[in-house]
Amino acid sequence: DVKVTQSSRYLVKRTGEKVFLECVQDMDHENMFWYRQDPGLGLRLIYFSYDVKMKEKGDIPEGYSVSREKKERFSLILESASTNQTSMYLCASRITGTGGHQPQHFGDGTRLSIL
Amino acid sequence: AQKVTQAQTEISVVEKEDVTLDCVYETRDTTYYLFWYKQPPSGELVFLIRRNSFDEQNEISGRYSWNFQKSTSSFNFTITASQVVDSAVYFCALSAPLTQGGSEKLVFGKGMKLTVNP
Repeated sequence: DVKVTQSSRYLVKRTGEKVFLECVQDMDHENMFWYRQDPGLGLRLIYFSYDVKMKEKGDIPEGYSVSREKKERFSLILESASTNQTSMYLCASRITGTGGHQPQHFGDGTRLSIL
Repeated sequence: AQKVTQAQTEISVVEKEDVTLDCVYETRDTTYYLFWYKQPPSGELVFLIRRNSFDEQNEISGRYSWNFQKSTSSFNFTITASQVVDSAVYFCALSAPLTQGGSEKLVFGKGMKLTVNP
């Protein structure tokens, strides 16, 4: 089975701090994703990486950056955390596969609170 | 632009009842995929099914069944004889193209919370 591991289930940080959320997958997947999930808004894509050192902005990239130095690890960075970034963050990975559209496999999520 | 609508936000049923979760989508793509995911209280989204736009056959997997109707742009999910363990938030999603890497992203509906009471 695919295993996507997020480094923390719960995290509390202060406004203005630089915050790192880490995600590791063990299936050699090319594609990795970061989403945030908010009540009433569903999941929204922050950033996407289709291979090592490759990234693309999603629907809500403002205030975030990402890093993918190794294939198995995809980091989400909040450059200067703000209270409106309090949310559940979900990481996902996926094999590219023939024909695309392969299902994404998700981690357990990190519930981040910015005080 | 692609869009997924799950009109029901929350449903509560009693165990053994059947329940249908509605999903309506919008897309201009001729080739696309639809997905259902389950998010139990533990938080992890669990993949349930993927269906491509050329395959309108209904699918059954145990107590789960899916009805894809291209004419009405709907991909509904039915749980038969619901159980307490089915309590979760369910998301419908549609694939949409990304600009780089020849890949695609998922556009999610807002989710529907199902509570199955004993």
